[in-house]
Amino acid sequence: AQSVTQLGSHVSVSEGALVLLRCNCSSSVPPYLFWYVQCPSQGLQLLLKYTTGATLVKGINGFEAELKTSETSFHLTKPSAHMSDAAEYFCAVSDREDTGNQFYFGTGTSLTVIP
Amino acid sequence: NAGVTQTPKFQVLKTGQSMTLQCAQDMNHEYMSWYRQDPGMGLRLIHYSVGAGITDQGEVPNGYNVSRSTTEDFPLRLLSAAPSQTSVYFCASSRLSEADEQFFGPGTRLTVL
Repeated sequence: AQSVTQLGSHVSVSEGALVLLRCNCSSSVPPYLFWYVQCPSQGLQLLLKYTTGATLVKGINGFEAELKTSETSFHLTKPSAHMSDAAEYFCAVSDREDTGNQFYFGTGTSLTVIP
Repeated sequence: NAGVTQTPKFQVLKTGQSMTLQCAQDMNHEYMSWYRQDPGMGLRLIHYSVGAGITDQGEVPNGYNVSRSTTEDFPLRLLSAAPSQTSVYFCASSRLSEADEQFFGPGTRLTVL
């Protein structure tokens, strides 16, 4: 089964600085990859997803991620952090199993934005 | 569309009590799943279903039961609550394609005393 590893459980950036949240995949074959955001006491919302085609994926709120197969990475970036970006971020991979699709989530990265 | 709805939002149980967490979706999704979220552990799959009448176990199924009698509903039953089941529970749904994202409910925060 596929898996993803998120490096850094907590990341702090200054407002206006670059946001970089790291996610590494267990396989070099491009699976289906997703980034979700979770605001406090809320459910998860999809930020972006990679399925096929262009390896640079743009999502909502100015976020983007690039699949680099040589590194098996799918890091999430945003050029300029905003206070409203403070949240928990999850990387996930979708894998087709014999009994249906499974989603495997990373352990999450909590982003703090410092004014 | 309401999307994925969950009830209740909060629940406190005593050890040994049973209860059912409700989940419903109005997007005609075949796939539905239950996760629990614990600090530092991300989301872990409890049970999932690929259609009415079909359910299967995920990573952490012990102590939980599910059934899927309709496409829309996927309740999660705690048979005899234990403090280790204190967690936030999320229901999600999607189409069956592995390229499709999951849509999440708002969660149920459960405390077992």
